[in-house]
Amino acid sequence: DQQVKQNSPSLSVQEGRISILNCDYTNSMFDYFLWYKKYPAEGPTFLISISSIKDKNEDGRFTVFLNKSAKHLSLHIVPSQPGDSAVYFCAAVPGDTDKLIFGTGTRLQVFP
Amino acid sequence: EPEVTQTPSHQVTQMGQEVILRCVPISNHLYFYWYRQILGQKVEFLVSFYNNEISEKSEIFDDQFSVERPDGSNFTLKIRSTKLEDSAMYFCARNRVGGDSPLHFGNGTRLTVT
Repeated sequence: DQQVKQNSPSLSVQEGRISILNCDYTNSMFDYFLWYKKYPAEGPTFLISISSIKDKNEDGRFTVFLNKSAKHLSLHIVPSQPGDSAVYFCAAVPGDTDKLIFGTGTRLQVFP
Repeated sequence: EPEVTQTPSHQVTQMGQEVILRCVPISNHLYFYWYRQILGQKVEFLVSFYNNEISEKSEIFDDQFSVERPDGSNFTLKIRSTKLEDSAMYFCARNRVGGDSPLHFGNGTRLTVT
């Protein structure tokens, strides 16, 4: 039961350009969404989050957009840097619980 | 540097053996979680623990699993009789009480069951 989907397993972007990572969900009861970055041999690191009552949240180079009608969220990284190369997971929280439901991840590679 | 420390970083065990994975939160938090990631798959919720009790658990968290906070500091995940399919990265996580506080994860323990 894939409630949170990241359909692109990988993405390759040139340094300085914009990286756009996408995530779709099926459960309309999700009320909070998060993006995590993960390097090999490390735990997921929190990047940015958004509440379902908002459609945009920005933090430095990272912006998350939420389209509730389409059940879609995206993470924009601009400008992309080589250090951004990692696996990015979107996660969602149902309203009646505090557990995170993760997507399968997208591996981002930023090349010079 | 992670705000949650996990030990050991890598654990190799034989099938049927018991393992205990440990988590030491730096700050005094009440909510703790265990997640796992089987190689190549997504991160999955196992159990949440609040005020020394399990508050929620997933279907994965069957009778072979248990959690406790024996000394008020360490937070442990025990697998009584490991199976090959228990091989995974196990992550401990914590957040603050209340509010939209995101989970912060430790660096994980890689469990290899042979």
